[in-house]
Amino acid sequence: DVKVTQSSRYLVKRTGEKVFLECVQDMDHENMFWYRQDPGLGLRLIYFSYDVKMKEKGDIPEGYSVSREKKERFSLILESASTNQTSMYLCASSFRIGADTQYFGPGTRLTVL
Amino acid sequence: EDQVTQSPEALRLQEGESSSLNCSYTVSGLRGLFWYRQDPGKGPEFLFTLYSAGEEKEKERLKATLTKKESFLHITAPKPEDSATYLCAVSGRRGSTLGRLYFGRGTQLTVWP
Repeated sequence: DVKVTQSSRYLVKRTGEKVFLECVQDMDHENMFWYRQDPGLGLRLIYFSYDVKMKEKGDIPEGYSVSREKKERFSLILESASTNQTSMYLCASSFRIGADTQYFGPGTRLTVL
Repeated sequence: EDQVTQSPEALRLQEGESSSLNCSYTVSGLRGLFWYRQDPGKGPEFLFTLYSAGEEKEKERLKATLTKKESFLHITAPKPEDSATYLCAVSGRRGSTLGRLYFGRGTQLTVWP
């Protein structure tokens, strides 16, 4: 079974803090993705990566950065958290380029006060 | 631009009352259409991938079908445990080399006893 894990299920941070969200997959997947999910807006792609040290902007990259130093790990960084970044953050991975099925982690509910 | 529209937004069914969820899409050359189930506060769980018009897939009480313009998720004799949000996503040739998916906003299904 594909296993995608995220470092925290719930996180509470203060405005202006630097926040790290980590995602690990154990199936040697090449592609990894970060989404945020908000009521009424659905899933929106923040960043994705198709190889180690490679990254591509998604639809809403502003205020975020990412890091992929190892194939199995993809980190999302909020450089200076703001209240409008309160959301559910979902990580996903897919096996290889051209194999599109994405497998999701359990999500991190981030609240920024 | 690739787009996915799901209807209805919400559906309430009595246990045993069969129905269908709709996913209509516009995409530049469909590579795959995906159905996911999402329980509250959790990450989406993969259900099906459909690749070509006329294809059907089944899992327990769920059956997914695909035409050139839309997909249906048929739920036969649903039970309360089928209550969840069902998400539809597509992958098109424009984003295909990087395995991007475009998601609809989901149908929230409630099955009451």
